[in-house]
Amino acid sequence: GAGVSQSPRYKVAKRGQDVALRCDPISGHVSLFWYQQALGQGPEFLTYFQNEAQLDKSGLPSDRFFAERPEGSVSTLKIQRTQQEDSAVYLCASSSPTSGRAVGDYNEQFFGPGTRLTVL
Amino acid sequence: AQSVTQPDIHITVSEGASLELRCNYSYGATPYLFWYVQSPGQGLQLLLKYFSGDTLVQGIKGFEAEFKRSQSSFNLRKPSVHWSDAAEYFCAVGASGNTPLVFGKGTRLSVIA
Repeated sequence: GAGVSQSPRYKVAKRGQDVALRCDPISGHVSLFWYQQALGQGPEFLTYFQNEAQLDKSGLPSDRFFAERPEGSVSTLKIQRTQQEDSAVYLCASSSPTSGRAVGDYNEQFFGPGTRLTVL
Repeated sequence: AQSVTQPDIHITVSEGASLELRCNYSYGATPYLFWYVQSPGQGLQLLLKYFSGDTLVQGIKGFEAEFKRSQSSFNLRKPSVHWSDAAEYFCAVGASGNTPLVFGKGTRLSVIA
């Protein structure tokens, strides 16, 4: 695909419901990041993967949040028993090491359009 | 810990006027610095980035930014603003390698005729 895609774009959930948000990264991108953006705030890191390995999940706000990337491509962010404070835009980004340079060299993160979650 | 401060929550400029958006960072080593723009309902688009070398970096849409280590700043500039530049601008810092970004709270730019 041309860029990072996310689905659904909008999700309304009743408090207590479980939700699943999907991210399709750019094909071949090794790294995948999830961020949470509350209204009027900058994005805040949740978790990230390198291929299928979840290398850092320190930003997940509670054990109700769970992310996976089982085949090293598509990722799903799951929120169990949603609460009103979970209302936010959830952004996914992917990146890949710069070709021709050492693996691990930083390249830019390409962001998807986000999923706006509203918990009533 | 890394942090980013964008002191201006909202800036209004006239079309054709120059623009400077401020960004200060806190980081223990040489940072990787970024400016992103976000239009309503859109994802983040990278304007420019700084890793090393020349401290004045050019980006897309006529934007530039200057890295000043002594001031821990990475301010974004544009000599002549267009109405289409109205958006939210985010400064971000990252460590070397593919690591998560730390964003500032953003500066909302309004452009008036």
